[in-house]
Amino acid sequence: EAQVTQNPRYLITVTGKKLTVTCSQNMNHEYMSWYRQDPGLGLRQIYYSMNVEVTDKGDVPEGYKVSRKEKRNFPLILESPSPNQTSLYFCASSLAGGRPQETQYFGPGTRLLVL
Amino acid sequence: KQEVTQIPAALSVPEGENLVLNCSFTDSAIYNLQWFRQDPGKGLTSLLLIQSSQREQTSGRLNASLDKSSGRSTLYIAASQPGDSATYLCAVQFKASGTYKYIFGTGTRLKVLA
Repeated sequence: EAQVTQNPRYLITVTGKKLTVTCSQNMNHEYMSWYRQDPGLGLRQIYYSMNVEVTDKGDVPEGYKVSRKEKRNFPLILESPSPNQTSLYFCASSLAGGRPQETQYFGPGTRLLVL
Repeated sequence: KQEVTQIPAALSVPEGENLVLNCSFTDSAIYNLQWFRQDPGKGLTSLLLIQSSQREQTSGRLNASLDKSSGRSTLYIAASQPGDSATYLCAVQFKASGTYKYIFGTGTRLKVLA
C-alpha cells in the first residue's frame, strides 16, 4: 500500500532533550516536506527536500534540522526542543516539486508535547 | 509574498444543504491548488487538485473551481451529509527563489447537522 509513515505518533519530552521524528514513504517520491500545525495558524512548512541531499528551509525552520540521505526517508530533528515546539507535525511527499498535476500525500501526524 | 485565506473559518449547516467554501491567494503564479479534508486528530486526505491550467475539477458531490486571475478557488459540496463534517483546507504550490513550496490556508471547520 502506498503510504507515508511517521514515528512516533505521540511524544512527550522535556526541554532540551534531543529527539528525532522519522518519516518514510514507499512511493519513490522525490519531494518531501515537513509541516507543523497550530491552532489558528494552519499548516506551516518547516523544511522540504527536492531530492536526495537537497534540502531547503520553509517558513518556520528555526529550531529544526532535517537530512535526506535516502530517497524514502526524511527525518525531522529537534536538537534542543522548547515548549513553543509543542505542535502537531506532518510529513508529506509528492512525486516531484513543480509539477502541476502532482498531489501531496500526508502521513498520519506526530503529536509532540515539550514540557 | 504568497498568502492563502479561507473564509468562513467555521460553518454550520443542516443536512442536505448545498454549500460553498472559499479560498483566496495573493499571487496568481501558482502551479496548482489542492483541497484537503482533515478529521479531528487525523491526517490530511486529498479531495481535489486543480492544475494552474484548469478551471475546475469534480469528484462525486464535490466540485472545485479555480480563477487564477482573481486569486480565488471555491469548493462546492452538494447535498451535504453529517459525514462531511470536518475541516477543509486549501493549499497552493508555487515557485519561490528557484524552488517549489506550499502554502496552506487556515481552514474552514464544517459541521453538518442531522
